[in-house]
Amino acid sequence: GAVVSQHPSRVICKSGTSVKIECRSLDFQATTMFWYRQFPKQSLMLMATSNEGSKATYEQGVEKDKFLINHASLTLSTLTVTSAHPEDSSFYICSATGTSAKSSYEQYFGPGTRLTVT
Amino acid sequence: GENVEQHPSTLSVQEGDSAVIKCTYSDSASNYFPWYKQELGKGPQLIIDIRSNVGEKKDQRIAVTLNKTAKHFSLHITETQPEDSAVYFCAASITGTASKLTFGTGTRLQVTL
Repeated sequence: GAVVSQHPSRVICKSGTSVKIECRSLDFQATTMFWYRQFPKQSLMLMATSNEGSKATYEQGVEKDKFLINHASLTLSTLTVTSAHPEDSSFYICSATGTSAKSSYEQYFGPGTRLTVT
Repeated sequence: GENVEQHPSTLSVQEGDSAVIKCTYSDSASNYFPWYKQELGKGPQLIIDIRSNVGEKKDQRIAVTLNKTAKHFSLHITETQPEDSAVYFCAASITGTASKLTFGTGTRLQVTL
């Protein structure tokens, strides 16, 4: 149980274009979803927190107009990187917490999406 | 905000030996401390966690200890195997506040034959 998927697993896009990454909770309802970015050999950095039906809360230094997050249902959140540039190339990982007592604080992570901007 | 420090950054042990990774946190309100294993190109996988009302927790070859007074917690892996080789992250959060995790900087564990 508590499986989170991401799509696509890898994406290459040209500079200036936008790319959308999907995060789905497959067997539970995700009340809160988190988006992280991870550069090579570094730790996970939280970008934003989203609750279903609400606007996302962005961490300091993360441009909300560049990284658009939509959490339209209890099983799906999307991250859109707008006008991508090479410096946006990174590993993007989502996670989710559920509605049960333990799953309200335990985060279940997706497999990640490798974004390369050329 | 919370700050989590993790040591060592790299750790090499021989198969069968034990490995210990240590973390310290700054916010005394933190009460949930998970450990994640991340293999290359994959997302983090929860391997064990501990809440602040418990001092130690064990799951087969893996154990975690927590010292609330000193604000540090440790991961212990016994009888290491080559498949334990990965990057390990500690994290801290406060339950009930959207569970935002603050991660440590990671430890690259290499188990040699």
